[in-house]
Amino acid sequence: QLQLRESGPGLVKPSETLSLTCTVSGGSISNSYYYWAWIRQPPGKGLEWIGSIYYSGSTYYNPSLKSRVTISVDTSKNQFSLKLSSVTAADTAMYYCATKYTTSSEDYFDYWGQGTLVTVSS
Amino acid sequence: QSVLTQPPSASGTPGQRVTISCSGSSSNIGINTVNWYQQLPGTAPKLLIYTNNQRPSGVPDRFSGSKSGTSASLAISGLQSEDEADYYCSTWDGSLNRYVFGTGTKVTVL
Repeated sequence: QLQLRESGPGLVKPSETLSLTCTVSGGSISNSYYYWAWIRQPPGKGLEWIGSIYYSGSTYYNPSLKSRVTISVDTSKNQFSLKLSSVTAADTAMYYCATKYTTSSEDYFDYWGQGTLVTVSS
Repeated sequence: QSVLTQPPSASGTPGQRVTISCSGSSSNIGINTVNWYQQLPGTAPKLLIYTNNQRPSGVPDRFSGSKSGTSASLAISGLQSEDEADYYCSTWDGSLNRYVFGTGTKVTVL
């Protein structure tokens, strides 16, 4: 069974870049059925998809965040990462990494990390 | 602002049936499958229903999903205290070109 764990700073200053890594265990990040995703949830609010990456490096992002987001993958370490630039207080949220299982007829986030809270504050 | 609308809350006594609606449009639910996630207090979301009405292994059969047109529903039959959680619907929106989640419904067991 896949397990995901987020890691990174819990506090980021305004205008700086938020950087998080998700480490995958229990399976290969090169699994052809999976995309690897970042999803966030501001305190007390709903879920927002940030973007996804395939093991080949192919990415697609939420258009509302696209100008500030970079997601990358390191297959040798079984990890993928998120960078979000020019952060503001509005980027304060619990950040989750997740797997996205995808076939021609199915498409869903089936495994989730425990989440890591990132606060943007000076 | 979410494009999938859910009632903010739902409640019932133990054993009752509770239904949660998820209203979308022709660019999301109307053309794509719907998934449901359960988020217990203080925990990460968990896949509850996928592809409109399929239950992952380990999910009790008192949870069921359905979809019709541009709306979807999640039903909880035989409500139990451990079902107190937030529930989110989700799908891909072909016009917005992004995954969208519903506004979320908090289920309370009275």
